Amino acid sequence: EDQVTQSPEALRLQEGESSSLNCSYTVSGLRGLFWYRQDPGKGPEFLFTLYSAGEEKEKERLKATLTKKESFLHITAPKPEDSATYLCAWRSNDYKLSFGAGTTVTVRA
Amino acid sequence: DAMVIQNPRYQVTQFGKPVTLSCSQTLNHNVMYWYQQKSSQAPKLLFHYYDKDFNNEADTPDNFQSRRPNTSFCFLDIRSPGLGDAAMYLCATSLGLAQETQYFGPGTRLLVL
Repeated sequence: EDQVTQSPEALRLQEGESSSLNCSYTVSGLRGLFWYRQDPGKGPEFLFTLYSAGEEKEKERLKATLTKKESFLHITAPKPEDSATYLCAWRSNDYKLSFGAGTTVTVRA
Repeated sequence: DAMVIQNPRYQVTQFGKPVTLSCSQTLNHNVMYWYQQKSSQAPKLLFHYYDKDFNNEADTPDNFQSRRPNTSFCFLDIRSPGLGDAAMYLCATSLGLAQETQYFGPGTRLLVL
């Protein structure tokens, strides 16, 4: 059965303390691994799409990487405004996006 | 700015009273999706429209239905809301199906009394 596991469930960081979030997957025929950011009471905001092992993408303090079994979202020198829940999602057929449970990141000033 | 708009942002209904949630988009995307997200859980796909073609997920309750009268608008109808239907309902769009990014609206928080 296709499955994605995000870890940790929650992450508390001091401002400037870099860290990584993990999304491990056992999905046959992966057709894209997506990262979204979700603020409380709002819809998910698209961050990155990764399609093949070795691919990396960056946006400001965020960098997403993909291997054959997992994806990492690295947060470099985070600021309080980076506090959010980060969701990874995968596509294994032509349309369905399936989400992990998310990692809630809290960055303290 | 092109976007996905959901109305209302908050909806309160009574147990068993039909309710309709609205989604509109200015992206001119072909595909529109409805997700249900309960507190601290992952969004769960209910159904999607590719143009006028409706696709229901196998585990979506019959209580949930959808209409797409034109490219820009899509509605979620809950015929007889139960307490377990209280959730955030998210609308998303994508240009196509295969390998296309989905863009989400802000969501409608539904409370069932």
